[in-house]
Amino acid sequence: QQQVKQSPQSLIVQKGGISIINCAYENTAFDYFPWYQQFPGKGPALLIAIRPDVSEKKEGRFTISFNKSAKQFSLHIMDSQPGDSATYFCAASLQGYYGQNFVFGPGTRLSVLP
Amino acid sequence: DAGVTQSPTHLIKTRGQHVTLRCSPISGHKSVSWYQQVLGQGPQFIFQYYEKEERGRGNFPDRFSARQFPNYSSELNVNALLLGDSALYLCASSPIQGFYGYTFGSGTRLTVV
Repeated sequence: QQQVKQSPQSLIVQKGGISIINCAYENTAFDYFPWYQQFPGKGPALLIAIRPDVSEKKEGRFTISFNKSAKQFSLHIMDSQPGDSATYFCAASLQGYYGQNFVFGPGTRLSVLP
Repeated sequence: DAGVTQSPTHLIKTRGQHVTLRCSPISGHKSVSWYQQVLGQGPQFIFQYYEKEERGRGNFPDRFSARQFPNYSSELNVNALLLGDSALYLCASSPIQGFYGYTFGSGTRLTVV
């Protein structure tokens, strides 16, 4: 019930195209859903996040779509650029008194071809 | 402002040895968490510390322990190292309340041979 599933495992997109990564969760108590971007040799960096009372959030070229009833959420990267090539992780967490602890998906390796 | 800093960046240890990894959180962040990231997988939660006390623990054996110091820095200790402990160990800090997410350090790459 604590698992977060993520697909696809890898994704190849042409420059200027749309990258879409999907995640699903089971625990309805999760109340915060971030996406992290990780480059080789670096730690994950927070990209964008959403709470379940919102169905969509957009920040620049990055959009999260959230479907509470289906327990699914997705990341859309518009106008994908070679610099977006990285591994993307979705995550889910519970807001506890001492902060959040995250359950991460297995990751999607995105390659954007020039 | 400096981000989350971790040391060392790389480490090679032999099976059965002990290792200590260190983390300094972002200034003002009082919560520190540790994650293990095996190659090709997502990070897995190990510990969360706040005010020098353990506030959360993931599904890891007792060989893993941690502590937090009064300046909010933290150490992760792993005893009796196994080959399967080879991973990137990530430290993350966060404010306590609110949906701010974590800020991760670049991690310590531990290789057990």
